[in-house]
Amino acid sequence: NFMLTQPHSVSESPGETVTLSCTRTSGTIDSHYVQWYQQRPGSSPTTLIYEDNVRPSGVPDRFSASIDSSTNSASLTISGLKTEDEGDYYCQSYDGSNHVVFGGGTRVTVL
Amino acid sequence: EVPLVESGGDLVQSGGSLRLSCVASGFSFGNYAMSWVRQAPGKGLEWVSSISHSGADTYHADSVRGRFTISRDNSKKILYLQMNGLRAEDTAVYYCAKAPGTYSYYYYFYMDVWGIGTSVTVSS
Repeated sequence: NFMLTQPHSVSESPGETVTLSCTRTSGTIDSHYVQWYQQRPGSSPTTLIYEDNVRPSGVPDRFSASIDSSTNSASLTISGLKTEDEGDYYCQSYDGSNHVVFGGGTRVTVL
Repeated sequence: EVPLVESGGDLVQSGGSLRLSCVASGFSFGNYAMSWVRQAPGKGLEWVSSISHSGADTYHADSVRGRFTISRDNSKKILYLQMNGLRAEDTAVYYCAKAPGTYSYYYYFYMDVWGIGTSVTVSS
């Protein structure tokens, strides 16, 4: 089975851009869709991105995502960082054998 | 209106049992696969179980297989998680989540709308 590896934390100033990575340890990142979830402190997760790069309605276009086969990773980019973006961000995919795989999560701090 | 509301979480002794419920509203419950995902205190998200829209197909993480059972009642719009043989490491907030699309097997393993969560504490 594979893991999705995410950096533990990132910090950036308001208005800046931050990119979060999610690296698949084995197999290819484009084998199955990657989704991204946001979890603000004290709240339930919400879905930010599905099917690699699609934003659900209501998610600001400051959030974008992509897949990079050369690094076998997915990325979530948050532009125009706001204090309300603070929280934990998780990537998630499917292993092809009836199991769900979550990344360990990245804590985003807006300085 | 909150689409998914979990209940049934409690403090239970190691080896005990609990049944969690998740009441759905505002969408055609019987058209969507559903999942349970848990989060231990201070930790990340961990998938627990998923069930097809009809309830005919169920899937469990290795860590809970043989102890937990996911089921659903589409007439009542309720998702369940029967948890037996509870261990200290099962202590977590348990979330139910709706799949992002209808019917397709592929959607069984992805989440869209999440519930508010219910807390399970297993004392050793």
